[in-house]
Amino acid sequence: DTGVSQDPRHKITKRGQNVTFRCDPISEHNRLYWYRQTLGQGPEFLTYFQNEAQLEKSRLLSDRFSAERPKGSFSTLEIQRTEQGDSAMYLCASSLGPPLGAGGGDTQYFGPGTRLTVL
Amino acid sequence: RKEVEQDPGPFNVPEGATVAFNCTYSNSASQSFFWYRQDCRKEPKLLMSVYSSGNEDGRFTAQLNRASQYISLLIRDSKLSDSATYLCVVFNSNSGYALNFGKGTSLLVTP
Repeated sequence: DTGVSQDPRHKITKRGQNVTFRCDPISEHNRLYWYRQTLGQGPEFLTYFQNEAQLEKSRLLSDRFSAERPKGSFSTLEIQRTEQGDSAMYLCASSLGPPLGAGGGDTQYFGPGTRLTVL
Repeated sequence: RKEVEQDPGPFNVPEGATVAFNCTYSNSASQSFFWYRQDCRKEPKLLMSVYSSGNEDGRFTAQLNRASQYISLLIRDSKLSDSATYLCVVFNSNSGYALNFGKGTSLLVTP
């Protein structure tokens, strides 16, 4: 399967614990996005990478959330000191964007998501 | 006001029916428009892009009205397999590279 993959698919943790999720994008895609989706809502944008550069992080939900894409390939999303309100589906997407500065959107392909439950 | 507004439904229709979903967006500078489909507990998948001239893909027709900031999706001859949530999606590069999703409209096609 050459689509976007995410690991783990499900994570149950206790409040206060740290969790880390991994996303492997489609191999030739240089853009990678993280979204969060809660029940009854559409996905909500969190952050975005163009290659290894994190170009948008102001919409991360709090300073407990951080993301990395160290080599411009896979990415990790970490949530520190989890709270019950963090329970949601965390979706990763990737796209083959135009060159930086060219602007414009492009088709984003989503992974299957990581479903987080905080007890 | 949310950037993308959709009627959440649910829409319950019999097989073979025609059903239409509507969506409005608030940012007149929005540049790209899409409909995504999301099955229960699955990821969103692109159904179709929406162009100013309107576009059709088989039983699906999408329309964009920039003056009214309104997007529609028409499904003809509904199939049981069309049951899903349909997400209206808007992109505006001036507000970052995020896709802005509506809450989605739930469709249930019944035998």
